[in-house]
Amino acid sequence: ETGVTQSPTHLIKTRGQQVTLRCSSQSGHNTVSWYQQALGQGPQFIFQYYREEENGRGNFPPRFSGLQFPNYSSELNVNALELDDSALYLCASSFGAEPNYGYTFGSGTRLTVV
Amino acid sequence: QKEVEQNSGPLSVPEGAIASLNCTYSDRVSQSFFWYRQYSGKSPELIMSIYSNGDKEDGRFTAQLNKASQYVSLLIRDSQPSDSATYLCAALGGYQKVTFGTGTKLQVIP
Repeated sequence: ETGVTQSPTHLIKTRGQQVTLRCSSQSGHNTVSWYQQALGQGPQFIFQYYREEENGRGNFPPRFSGLQFPNYSSELNVNALELDDSALYLCASSFGAEPNYGYTFGSGTRLTVV
Repeated sequence: QKEVEQNSGPLSVPEGAIASLNCTYSDRVSQSFFWYRQYSGKSPELIMSIYSNGDKEDGRFTAQLNKASQYVSLLIRDSQPSDSATYLCAALGGYQKVTFGTGTKLQVIP
């Protein structure tokens, strides 16, 4: 059984640029959620994808978008990067439309916007 | 009011003692609750889930839920230095949204 893998591990981008983060879900999981975790804070829900459709979204602007592919892997895209987007981005996989049994998290992508 | 509130700590306990971590939530729709452990520089790891009022035990860990008081707690018995981490409380509310607290930092002193 493979865990959740994220790439890249670290990334430095310039304000105004665009970034794509990738995630492969755990074997047997069909749902991917993305979270943003600023230093010293809890993870903040960005959105969730189930069966290739977004089925839940937190309080993030439209410049945060995503995709889920038929193999359940997922991408998070952020356009027009701002300094406040600097954070750890976590991918979480689960099974079913609602994450009733909790998440398995990937190791995260550390994004720094300068 | 934050949706999930935790005392940020740090909570310091001596090795072998019981660590008690507390959490309150505001969304009465929430039905599923979770405790995650996060070591510094690492991603969160699920340690307990609880869905019904009362206690749920798993090894040295006991989760407690009181929906009337909107209160969740985690007890760690026989605390070990390896338990030193930040503990995140989370609640599953509407629209598949899992809301996390800011976490309580636990320090177990040898």
